[in-house]
Amino acid sequence: DIQMTQSPSTLSASVGDRVTITCRASQSISRWLAWYQQKPGKAPKLLIYKGSSLESGVPSRFSGSGSGTEFTLTISSLQPDDFATYYCQQYQSYSTFGQGTNVDIK
Amino acid sequence: QVQLQESGPGLVKPSQTLSLTCTVSGDSISNGGYSWSWIRQHPGKGLEWIGSIFYNGGTYSNPSLKSRFTISLDTSKNQFSLRLTSVTAADTAVYYCARGTIFGMTIAYFDYWGQGTLVPVSS
Repeated sequence: DIQMTQSPSTLSASVGDRVTITCRASQSISRWLAWYQQKPGKAPKLLIYKGSSLESGVPSRFSGSGSGTEFTLTISSLQPDDFATYYCQQYQSYSTFGQGTNVDIK
Repeated sequence: QVQLQESGPGLVKPSQTLSLTCTVSGDSISNGGYSWSWIRQHPGKGLEWIGSIFYNGGTYSNPSLKSRFTISLDTSKNQFSLRLTSVTAADTAVYYCARGTIFGMTIAYFDYWGQGTLVPVSS
């Protein structure tokens, strides 16, 4: 099984901050990685797929990068609507999610 | 606009079988371009992919889970279903259905999700 590890688990930030979340795979997954945003009581929402492709309708302040085993999700200027939990997902082999990163208000 | 809606029991007793149905609108599950998937989230925890089914009935299941899950299609109703046997308290979770894109001949990322349904397992 491919394991996905996100860091940090919790991140405290302020509106306007640049935020970076890291996701590491236990083996190479090329660029077969997606990022999701989840708010309490809601379903996850797709943000990024294939490592860096922005899903339609997602604000351009979200970006993804990386390949192989290390990936990052960056929010260039954190907005009030961005406080949420973020998950990475690999789809190189079946599907595995990271444990999540909670972005809360500093 | 693609929409998915889960339906099922509000409560299941230990050792019983859990059955959930996902009704899809705005797309046909016979569409060969997508998979139809179940994902669960234990209370306060992360996401766990359970399995996926394709338009032709082919399935992929999480190899880390014991084979208690069955996923099936009902194309006449544009629905797909999840069946989980011999449930325990550890199966208490929010269950989501989702549409997945296809990567090669297997599953990829999930672009549309249902709202999720909480299934408590308790006597």
